[in-house]
Amino acid sequence: DIQMTQSPSSLSASVGDRVTITCRASQNVNSYLNWYQQRPGKAPKLLIYSASTLQSGVPSRFSGSGSGTVFTLTISSLQPEDFATYYCQQSNITPHTFGQGTKLDIK
Amino acid sequence: QVQLQESGPGLVKPSETLSLTCTVSGGSVSSGSHYWSWIRQPPGKGLEWIGHIYYTGSTIYNPSLESRVTISIDTSKNQFSLKLNSVTAADTAVYYCARVHPWWQLGDWGQGILVTVSS
Repeated sequence: DIQMTQSPSSLSASVGDRVTITCRASQNVNSYLNWYQQRPGKAPKLLIYSASTLQSGVPSRFSGSGSGTVFTLTISSLQPEDFATYYCQQSNITPHTFGQGTKLDIK
Repeated sequence: QVQLQESGPGLVKPSETLSLTCTVSGGSVSSGSHYWSWIRQPPGKGLEWIGHIYYTGSTIYNPSLESRVTISIDTSKNQFSLKLNSVTAADTAVYYCARVHPWWQLGDWGQGILVTVSS
């Protein structure tokens, strides 16, 4: 299985901050990399797919980049509703594995 | 706008079979444009992909669960289902159904259903 490792596992930040989360794959996943946001008690929500394509309706402060084995999710200016847990997922090779999650909370 | 809703027992005894159904509205499971998927999340932990199914009945499973899992589809009812047999406490989780988009991303999710395995 492809192992997905996110860093950091947790992150404290303030409203208005720029934050970046990194996801590393244990082997090449090309651009089949997705990012999800999960608020407590809610289902995950797709933010970005194919590494850098913003899902319809997702604010433009979210962006993704990378290819191969290293990917990043950036939030340019944190808003109160962005405090949540973020997961990356590779969908290049089954099983489609997720990272362990990055919990973003308010400083 | 497509909506997905999981249903089934919230409590299953150890060694028995977990059975869940996902009802799709606002879209058709037989459209051929999407695969359909099950994912689970143990309490306080991360996400685990269980498998996908196409309207033809073709399936792809996570090898870690493949010996115990069956995903099926009922196009007449616009539903797809999950069966997981020989469950243990480790199978306690919130189970989500989702619609798979062309880059294999999980674009639409149900709200999830908590299934507890306990006697």
